[in-house]
Amino acid sequence: AQRVTQPEKLLSVFKGAPVELKCNYSYSGSPELFWYVQYSRQRLQLLLRHISRESIKGFTADLNKGETSFHLKKPFAQEEDSAMYYCALKGHTGFQKLVFGTGTRLLVSP
Amino acid sequence: GAGVSQTPSNKVTEKGKYVELRCDPISGHTALYWYRQSLGQGPEFLIYFQGTGAADDSGLPNDRFFAVRPEGSVSTLKIQRTERGDSAVYLCASSLGTSGSGEQYFGPGTRLTVT
Repeated sequence: AQRVTQPEKLLSVFKGAPVELKCNYSYSGSPELFWYVQYSRQRLQLLLRHISRESIKGFTADLNKGETSFHLKKPFAQEEDSAMYYCALKGHTGFQKLVFGTGTRLLVSP
Repeated sequence: GAGVSQTPSNKVTEKGKYVELRCDPISGHTALYWYRQSLGQGPEFLIYFQGTGAADDSGLPNDRFFAVRPEGSVSTLKIQRTERGDSAVYLCASSLGTSGSGEQYFGPGTRLTVT
């Protein structure tokens, strides 16, 4: 079964502090992993995907197959990073649906 | 260009009524997805269209839910005999590619409230 776990409902940090949003997954195979973000009053949008191996808005995420994790990290949080973050998985064998975690709300205070 | 649009943005209906939710994907996107997001949860997959056909409807919760995409563009999600548990935000997404392997672009959602 495919499952994505985000253990933290809320993560509150001060501006300039490092951030790590945790994501663990369960999938028997090689999935694609994504982070989606939803800013206040905006639609859900893709932040980054593991196959791109890129940094977006200072965020990075590394797929760790041994630990089945895909944690999202940023060394110095900004107030504009405050949003809802969802980790998502897509299977590799013709099934195109995304399986989402329950999300983590990141709150960056000044 | 225009993104994915969904209408209505809000829908309030009484238990037992029938509702239709509409999704207009990005022009040229062959893949279209419906998700449902209940309060405090992440989006949950309902159905995926490739062109006009439903390639995967494994997420539809029961036979009260049905979706169509007759011309391979606009899609309608139909819910019969609505129940209070159907209250949620219904999200539509579309993507490029015949295999649906591209990035999924989401619409703003329709908030359905069943009273």
